[in-house]
Amino acid sequence: QKEVEQNSGPLSVPEGAIASLNCTYSDRVSQSFFWYRQYSGKSPELIMSIYSNGDKEDGRFTAQLNKASQYVSLLIRDSQPSDSATYLCAVKAGGSTLGRLYFGRGTQLTVWP
Amino acid sequence: GAVVSQHPSRVICKSGTSVKIECRSLDFQATTMFWYRQFPKQSLMLMATSNEGSKATYEQGVEKDKFLINHASLTLSTLTVTSAHPEDSSFYICSARQEWGTNQPQHFGDGTRLSIL
Repeated sequence: QKEVEQNSGPLSVPEGAIASLNCTYSDRVSQSFFWYRQYSGKSPELIMSIYSNGDKEDGRFTAQLNKASQYVSLLIRDSQPSDSATYLCAVKAGGSTLGRLYFGRGTQLTVWP
Repeated sequence: GAVVSQHPSRVICKSGTSVKIECRSLDFQATTMFWYRQFPKQSLMLMATSNEGSKATYEQGVEKDKFLINHASLTLSTLTVTSAHPEDSSFYICSARQEWGTNQPQHFGDGTRLSIL
C-alpha cells in the first residue's frame, strides 16, 4: 500500500508569515511529487511539481524534496489570506506508466489578516 | 495550457436517474484520464483510471456496472452514474495527464457536484 501522510492541521499563520507544509511518502521508488491547492468547494489546482532532491522555487512558493528521507515540503513565503485553502501532497506511483497519483489527506491552511 | 473542462458543474436529480458527466482536455491529448470522488472534508478518492480505446481500470470497491466509464477519444472521457441514489451524492472530479514525458502532472477539471434527492 502506497501511503502519503500529511499533517491535517489546521495550520494557522498570520499574514506575511511563512507557512510550512510537510508530507512523507512510503514508496521509495517514487520520482514525481506535486503540490495541489484546493479551495473549499473547488477542484485541486496544481501549484508546484518537483522531481529532484533539493529546493525548487516559484514566486512565493518553494518545494523541498529529500528522497532519502522520503519527505517533501512546501513553503509559502509572505502568506496572504488568499492562500487559505487545503494543500494536497501527491506522489506519482513508482513504476507507474499511467501516472496514477497517491494523495495525502491534505493540510488545511488559514492565513489571518 | 493543460486545460481540462468538466460538464456539468452541478446536477440535482431524483433517485433512480442516470447521470452522465463529461471530461474534456481542451488543448492537449490525454491517453489517460482519472475519475475521483470527494466527500465533504475528505481527500480525493480515485475511482478509476480511464484509458482511451480500452476498458477502464477500477479501484477496489468501486462498482464498474454502477459507474460506467467511456474514453472514446484522446480528448473525451465520460462517467455515467447509473440509477443514482442519495448515497452517490458527492463531488466528482476528473483529471487528465499530458502523455509526453513520464513526469507530467494531472490537471483537474472543475468538478461536478451531484445531489440525488
